[in-house]
Parts: sequence; structure tokens; C-alpha cells
Amino acid sequence: KNEVEQSPQNLTAQEGEFITINCSYSVGISALHWLQQHPGGGIVSLFMLSSGKKKHGRLIATINIQEKHSSLHITASHPRDSAVYICAVRTGYGGSQGNLIFGKGTKLSVKP
Amino acid sequence: GAGVSQSPSNKVTEKGKDVELRCDPISGHTALYWYRQSLGQGLEFLIYFQGNSAPDKSGLPSDRFSAERTGGSVSTLTIQRTQQEDSAVYLCASSSTGGGLQSPLHFGNGTRLTVT
Repeated sequence: KNEVEQSPQNLTAQEGEFITINCSYSVGISALHWLQQHPGGGIVSLFMLSSGKKKHGRLIATINIQEKHSSLHITASHPRDSAVYICAVRTGYGGSQGNLIFGKGTKLSVKP
Repeated sequence: GAGVSQSPSNKVTEKGKDVELRCDPISGHTALYWYRQSLGQGLEFLIYFQGNSAPDKSGLPSDRFSAERTGGSVSTLTIQRTQQEDSAVYLCASSSTGGGLQSPLHFGNGTRLTVT
């Protein structure tokens, strides 16, 4: 069983729809990342959070530490949001923030 | 620089040859990380540098893999005697410090390595 599970694996939406991508993990963590990978491979860090909720533009990330679950929401989705969204967790409190365990990603396609 | 720069962007090599992959982090970033993304697989951590030292090498898959960082800046990932299973995209990231929620990761575009 993977330590970080994402759902769904693939998601197709119509422009304007509200989108939710889920991430569940089975290990103790000190932080959780949401990353965006566009076709061509470039990765952008969207959020890094350890509790509560963060918002940036149309993107919202929430985390529930007790339930070991995080969600990434996209409001008013647009075709340019089409990408692979990756959840990653940092375990423990020592060491580096870069030693992450990654989910396999959710491929999002937003149709005009 | 404007972002994390990796070179080459693509590398095709024959099985058994050695390869070197380069990463130029964002100027001033003390922390540097290497990751690997194999076809059909998720990302996996390889090694972390803080300055020129590597306090976490736990992700290196075998002793054929090594990395160094000089001057607290450029890093080179070396794979000796490449095997076909080494084929992957190798990604580098940097951050301003090695921890804390105020220092997000900045990724390069990766080097796509193909071992024939």
C-alpha cells in the first residue's frame, strides 16, 4: 500500500466547474505539499501546509491532520488548469523538507 | 538566476556509460534536492544538500549514483555504468533554507535520461 494515495487518478471537467482532488496519507507528517506539473514536465509548488487552509487565487488547499487527509480545490476551473497535481508529504520534524514521499498524481483535464 | 536551471535537458546514453547531470539552483538558495521520476512511477527523493554537504542521501538507489555540490551553488549528479532502469527524468529543486514552511521548493525543468 502506498503511503500517499491520491484520488481520482484522472479527472475531466468542463470549464467553470469546481474541482476537488484528494490526498490521504498513512504516515505522521510535518508538512504536506501540493505540486502542479504541466505537460513538458515543469513542476511548480502550489502550497506547503501543516494545518488548516491556504488560498491562492482560485486554488484552495486544506488539511486535516487527525484524519490524515488533504484536499486541493480549484474554483471556476479553466483549460489552463489542465496539469498533473501531485501531493507530497514530509515525514518527521528533523531532517530536510525535501525528503518527500510523493503520491502518483491526479491528471486533470479541463475542457472549454 | 531567474529559476533553477538543469542541463542537459535531454541525454541519451548507451548502457554502461557514465553520465553527469547538472543543476544550477536559484542564487542564494542554500538547500538543493535531487528527485527522479520514472515512466509510470511517481517522483522519488534521491539526495539533499545543505550548502556543500549532503546530510540526507537516503534516496540514492545504488552506489552507482553520487552527487556533489561545490561553492554552495552548482550540483552534479553522476550515474556510473548506467543501466536501462536508470532511464527517467531527473529533477532538481532548491529552497532558501532546508526547512520551515516559509521556504517553498523551486523546481528545474529536469533532465530526461534515456539509457539504450
